[in-house]
Amino acid sequence: DSGVTQTPKHLITATGQRVTLRCSPRSGDLSVYWYQQSLDQGLQFLIQYYNGEERAKGNILERFSAQQFPDLHSELNLSSLELGDSALYFCASSAGGGRGYGYTFGSGTRLTVV
Amino acid sequence: SQQGEEDPQALSIQEGENATMNCSYKTSINNLQWYRQNSGRGLVHLILIRSNEREKHSGRLRVTLDTSKKSSSLLITASRAADTASYFCATDDGATNKLIFGTGTLLAVQP
Repeated sequence: DSGVTQTPKHLITATGQRVTLRCSPRSGDLSVYWYQQSLDQGLQFLIQYYNGEERAKGNILERFSAQQFPDLHSELNLSSLELGDSALYFCASSAGGGRGYGYTFGSGTRLTVV
Repeated sequence: SQQGEEDPQALSIQEGENATMNCSYKTSINNLQWYRQNSGRGLVHLILIRSNEREKHSGRLRVTLDTSKKSSSLLITASRAADTASYFCATDDGATNKLIFGTGTLLAVQP
């Protein structure tokens, strides 16, 4: 157990639907990062939050949004889902703003869009 | 977009042998990190080397960094079957608050 909790572990949904992925960071970590991993794109950085505020944005689609709550857990919302959104979605956390620290990853949510 | 590229893409060795993986990246970095991923699982942080360091050791792991060549290598000595996994390098440029991962090397250690 890495200390980063992601739920659900698996999600199967239809095209056009909306899902919410949840992440609880390791105790004491203020930064949360979201990554998408697919066979053709590899590990893609989506977005980072630090203590409730958005810090950095990557290749996140407009159909995707995220937030970090006062208790530091984070949610990634994916809407108008397409087949190509099928992937593993990872959440990671780190101490501080992320610079110079290793990340602790959760075990991921496997999203299948049918 | 990927910052780093690992080489080779796949590597198969016998237990007890050493495994070397290389990573090349494109822009200036603050630090470079190596991660391991077992099939379909989360990534595990292995080691971090800062831009002003040239070599770092952790157990059976040895990492080198050559900032002039924008490259790093990860050496796993006396490999074990349990080392079978994908290995990724990741770069932190110190400015954008995001860690960018390479394409990964799939290591298979045969018992």
